[in-house]
Amino acid sequence: DVKVTQSSRYLVKRTGEKVFLECVQDMDHENMFWYRQDPGLGLRLIYFSYDVKMKEKGDIPEGYSVSREKKERFSLILESASTNQTSMYLCASSRTSSRETQYFGPGTRLLVL
Amino acid sequence: GQNIDQPTEMTATEGAIVQINCTYQTSGFNGLFWYQQHAGEAPTFLSYNVLDGLEEKGRFSSFLSRSKGYSYLLLKELQMKDSASYLCAVPRDNYGQNFVFGPGTRLSVLP
Repeated sequence: DVKVTQSSRYLVKRTGEKVFLECVQDMDHENMFWYRQDPGLGLRLIYFSYDVKMKEKGDIPEGYSVSREKKERFSLILESASTNQTSMYLCASSRTSSRETQYFGPGTRLLVL
Repeated sequence: GQNIDQPTEMTATEGAIVQINCTYQTSGFNGLFWYQQHAGEAPTFLSYNVLDGLEEKGRFSSFLSRSKGYSYLLLKELQMKDSASYLCAVPRDNYGQNFVFGPGTRLSVLP
């Protein structure tokens, strides 16, 4: 079974703090993704990566950065957390193929006070 | 660009059949996915359609009409555990590895 893990299920941070969200997958997938999910807005893509050290902006990259130093790990960084970044963050991974589903991690619910 | 529409909420009774619709507009097409997401959990894969027609998988079936930009998910013999959100997703480019997700339909199954 594919396993995608995220470093925390729940996180509480203060405005202005630097926040690291870690995602690890164990199936040697090339592609990794970071989404945020908010009520009424659905899943929105923040950043994605097709390979180590590669990154591409998604629909809402502002206020975020990412790092992919190893194939299995994709980190999302909030340089200076703000209250409007309170959300559920979901990581996903997939193989390089046009017909492959994405596999999601359990999510991190982040609250910024 | 891509645009995906789904009804926001639906309610059905245990044992019944429910159809969840998804309409999409996309510049290219490389398949449509359906995911199930229980409250507080991650989305999980349900089905994938790339050709027109109905794909059946146990109690769940998914239909696609590419010419109409339309898909539906059919859930039969509803159970309480089917209460969840159902998301449809289409690839945002011809490589098919990066998806646009619909807003999701929250299904409540009542006893």
